[in-house]
Amino acid sequence: GAVVSQHPSWVICKSGTSVKIECRSLDFQATTMFWYRQFPKQSLMLMATSNEGSKATYEQGVEKDKFLINHASLTLSTLTVTSAHPEDSSFYICSARSEREKLFFGSGTQLSVL
Amino acid sequence: DAKTTQPTSMDCAEGRAANLPCNHSTISGNEYVYWYRQIHSQGPQYIIHGLKNNETNEMASLIITEDRKSSTLILPHATLRDTAVYYCIVRGLYNTDKLIFGTGTRLQVFP
Repeated sequence: GAVVSQHPSWVICKSGTSVKIECRSLDFQATTMFWYRQFPKQSLMLMATSNEGSKATYEQGVEKDKFLINHASLTLSTLTVTSAHPEDSSFYICSARSEREKLFFGSGTQLSVL
Repeated sequence: DAKTTQPTSMDCAEGRAANLPCNHSTISGNEYVYWYRQIHSQGPQYIIHGLKNNETNEMASLIITEDRKSSTLILPHATLRDTAVYYCIVRGLYNTDKLIFGTGTRLQVFP
């Protein structure tokens, strides 16, 4: 089946630094990717829709200047958490849609901000 | 907001069928029913999806009621590795249609 690769799997950073997370569709092209955040014992919360070649669409309450999304090609979207703070510590997950109406998910990135 | 409601948790004996219900009474005509599951600290895994006909694949079967207001995911022979949180989601077919997760059902398969 289709594969979505997410990197890194986990990252620890100091407060105030920026962290970039990559999401790649390995065997299909994805004009649209989605970014989610998940806190412990909670469900996935959609953060934004990443559109290839155009600006991302953010969900209500998600700061676009803090969570920068770039979708420069049909196989790559990146999420940059800028000036990270401890409250940004979370599990970040991306997904991409294949041509068969299915959404496939990356393995997630555990971000810990000290 | 999620358009589905599911029981918070369920138990199932290993080797038995696990039947996970989902209510989606406000589903519209062009929305599909999707099922995903998430094992701890991993990304969600696609299981199955359908519009109005029952569907079956190597992982599970999906039974959708005639009025499409509810559905049941069936794992025919549950194993310990099927322990996970199962999410039932309704979604349109357009490229930008979002997958909005509800709280899901935590399935515990016991020996």
